[in-house]
Amino acid sequence: SQQGEEDPQALSIQEGENATMNCSYKTSINNLQWYRQNSGRGLVHLILIRSNEREKHSGRLRVTLDTSKKSSSLLITASRAADTASYFCATDDSGGSNYKLTFGKGTLLTVNP
Amino acid sequence: DTEVTQTPKHLVMGMTNKKSLKCEQHMGHRAMYWYKQKAKKPPELMFVYSYEKLSINESVPSRFSPECPNSSLLNLHLHALQPEDSALYLCASSQHRQNTGELFFGEGSRLTVL
Repeated sequence: SQQGEEDPQALSIQEGENATMNCSYKTSINNLQWYRQNSGRGLVHLILIRSNEREKHSGRLRVTLDTSKKSSSLLITASRAADTASYFCATDDSGGSNYKLTFGKGTLLTVNP
Repeated sequence: DTEVTQTPKHLVMGMTNKKSLKCEQHMGHRAMYWYKQKAKKPPELMFVYSYEKLSINESVPSRFSPECPNSSLLNLHLHALQPEDSALYLCASSQHRQNTGELFFGEGSRLTVL
C-alpha cells in the first residue's frame, strides 16, 4: 500500500518560477526523503528531513515537515528547464522495518524554457 | 554519475528464458535493495539484503530469485517471467543504520518480457 501521496500529480511552470509539491503519508515516521528521477533513469536523493525537524534547506530546495498533519512540501525556487523530472517523497515507518522505504506516487514537474 | 552500477541496461527475454540482473557498489554499504518500477508509477520494494542476508522479501513471486554473493554485489535471477513483469528494475544501496537513510540508486535495468 502507498505510504506517501504527492500532489499535484503533474505540474507545468515557466523557467524562473517556483514549484511546490506536497506529500502526505499515513504512519509515524523517523524521516522523510525527497528523490528526483529523470525519465527512464535512476532516482537521485535530494534531501532528508527527520521527524523532529520542521524545515530544511539545500541550495534551491526547501522542505517542510508537519508531523501533526503527516505532510511535507518540497519547494524548488527559481526553477530551470533542467529541473524537469519526477519528484517522489519517500517515508520509512517508525513502527516497521528499518530498511523499508516506501515511495509516493510522485509529481511530474515540467519546466518550460 | 551513480556509484551503483547495474547491468545490463536493457534486457529482452522470452517467458522460458533464464537471465540475471547484476548490481555492484563500492561505497562500503551493507544494505542493498531491489525495486521494481512500472511506467508512471513509483518504485516498489522487492527485496532488501542486510550484511549479505535477506532481510525483507515483499512477497515477491519465486520466479524472481535474489542473491547477494558478497557485500558489493547483488543479483536478481529471473526465470519463467510473465509479460507483466516487464519494468525498470532498480538496485539501491545504503549504509547500515538504525533508521533508513539515503538510498543510492543505479540507473536501472529495463526488462522486457515477450
